Amino acid sequence: NAGVTQTPKFQVLKTGQSMTLQCAQDMNHEYMSWYRQDPGMGLRLIHYSVGAGITDQGEVPNGYNVSRSTTEDFPLRLLSAAPSQTSVYFCASLTANTGELFFGEGSRLTVL
Amino acid sequence: AQRVTQPEKLLSVFKGAPVELKCNYSYSGSPELFWYVQYSRQRLQLLLRHISRESIKGFTADLNKGETSFHLKKPFAQEEDSAMYYCALAGANNLFFGTGTRLTVIP
Repeated sequence: NAGVTQTPKFQVLKTGQSMTLQCAQDMNHEYMSWYRQDPGMGLRLIHYSVGAGITDQGEVPNGYNVSRSTTEDFPLRLLSAAPSQTSVYFCASLTANTGELFFGEGSRLTVL
Repeated sequence: AQRVTQPEKLLSVFKGAPVELKCNYSYSGSPELFWYVQYSRQRLQLLLRHISRESIKGFTADLNKGETSFHLKKPFAQEEDSAMYYCALAGANNLFFGTGTRLTVIP
């Protein structure tokens, strides 16, 4: 099993550009989520999904869109990147059996 | 409102010394708490959860409902314990994370 796979690992954008962070999991988990990690702020939830076709906002959703057309994929879209979105982004999926979150390796995004 | 507080951003201890990483929480219901760890150049991973009452890599954490705490402890720190540690609280549909504590074990 690959677990949770995120791409790209690194990305540099200019202000106003758009991009999509990809996330896929092969564990058949219903729950998936996106976090951003910033120094001194810990991990903050952006959006989450409890199953295909269902998404909801987390703590810091502004500037981000998500969709969940399949159980496996949960892409995160930045429609118009801003320097405040410079961060490390983590995708995670959760197993209902134990409540354990499985994380991707992270995507480091820099917005100039 | 749910909240997780980790008061120490940085913690340094000498190898072989005891270590305690503090975590306090705020939650109206019955809490389910976790510790996650991120070693250098590795992804975040679960270290332990209070329900399992396990000892992982020598770490333990006891839920103290009276003090609303879930401190992580290890009697003898090892160099390989150097990492970023996050305390997390399960909510209805997500995990709330603290701001993290970076532990450095000095050889």
